Amino acid sequence: ETGVTQTPRHLVMGMTNKKSLKCEQHLGHNAMYWYKQSAKKPLELMFVYNFKEQTENNSVPSRFSPECPNSSHLFLHLHTLQPEDSALYLCASSQTTGGGSSPLHFGNGTRLTVT
Amino acid sequence: GQNIDQPTEMTATEGAIVQINCTYQTSGFNGLFWYQQHAGEAPTFLSYNVLDGLEEKGRFSSFLSRSKGYSYLLLKELQMKDSASYLCAAIDSNYQLIWGAGTKLIIKP
Repeated sequence: ETGVTQTPRHLVMGMTNKKSLKCEQHLGHNAMYWYKQSAKKPLELMFVYNFKEQTENNSVPSRFSPECPNSSHLFLHLHTLQPEDSALYLCASSQTTGGGSSPLHFGNGTRLTVT
Repeated sequence: GQNIDQPTEMTATEGAIVQINCTYQTSGFNGLFWYQQHAGEAPTFLSYNVLDGLEEKGRFSSFLSRSKGYSYLLLKELQMKDSASYLCAAIDSNYQLIWGAGTKLIIKP
């Protein structure tokens, strides 16, 4: 139990589908993140929310659309994805957005396969 | 550019000691994290260093040299459950995390 729950754990979707990834944190944190993890590559930060406000969008294609309705929930809406978007998508939370006093707590991720 | 280098894979024997190195080049520096990630699971926080020196936590220790842009994670009395990937991440001057690609550690009996 990591305190950060992601659903679904696995997702297979076609390029024309629309799906959403969900993340919920039970830690009372104020910041939430979406990361993309591909094999043998560093974690890629996609989006950051701090107190429900988006503070970072790392040039992510518009086919990925985040939503943060409150400090505990984060969604990633997906549409018209490409095969190269297949990866592990990790959600994380932290008390604040800066510094070592606020390490990230990760969920187990959603393994996404785009066919 | 900003960069983190760590070995792709290492192999060690159960009961032994292993050192996983990490070198970083960042715009400013505000500390360094180590995370452990078992296959199919979430990365979990292991350690944070911001001052030079060694921080010990049970079987795991983490070392930092700011002048050399270098850190290592030392794992003692290795157990099979230590087989995992170990991720190094440095915090730059904007408090952004710069991640390494991770080191896959294989423990053999």
